[in-house]
Amino acid sequence: AQSVAQPEDQVNVAEGNPLTVKCTYSVSGNPYLFWYVQYPNRGLQFLLKYITGDNLVKGSYGFEAEFNKSQTSFHLKKPSALVSDSALYFCAVRDMNGNKLVFGAGTILRVKS
Amino acid sequence: SQTIHQWPATLVQPVGSPLSLECTVEGTSNPNLYWYRQAAGRGLQLLFYSVGIGQISSEVPQNLSASRPQDRQFILSSKKLLLSDSGFYLCAWSEGQGLWDGYTFGSGTRLTVV
Repeated sequence: AQSVAQPEDQVNVAEGNPLTVKCTYSVSGNPYLFWYVQYPNRGLQFLLKYITGDNLVKGSYGFEAEFNKSQTSFHLKKPSALVSDSALYFCAVRDMNGNKLVFGAGTILRVKS
Repeated sequence: SQTIHQWPATLVQPVGSPLSLECTVEGTSNPNLYWYRQAAGRGLQLLFYSVGIGQISSEVPQNLSASRPQDRQFILSSKKLLLSDSGFYLCAWSEGQGLWDGYTFGSGTRLTVV
């Protein structure tokens, strides 16, 4: 079965520093990978996706993610963190039946000024 | 463009009362529709999903039910709420055909059962 793991419950970073939120995946076949962000009491917002093509994917709000097949990872990155990036981040992979996403447990990102 | 509407935004209900949460999608046809629950502000639990009118798949046994009376309408219901039904409920849609592009989520409903 398809699955993703987010090994960190929380990531703390200082404003202006680069940030990384980790995600590893386990799939049969080619993965469809996604990152979503959730602000308090809001729905999840799409950040970026990898389906095929370049391993470096650029998304919303200056975020990017690198697909690494050998390490089965899809880490979310941003060169310079903002306090407003503080939120809950979810990695997800498309399920084998094609109609659903399988989500990781989520990682809280806290950016301190 | 496609939009998803979910209401109400917040709801406080007594134990044993009924529940109806509604979700509608505009600007697309035959979408896949989903209900998720998020407890304790963290993990997402898929409750129901639907690939067409009247077609409901239940992911977990529970006190809730779902219905899809129209193509772009998805309703989450309960006859008698339990305290454990409290949480943040999210509706989402995805393309039913063609290029599958992940989910678009609604803004969520915060349900507190008292």
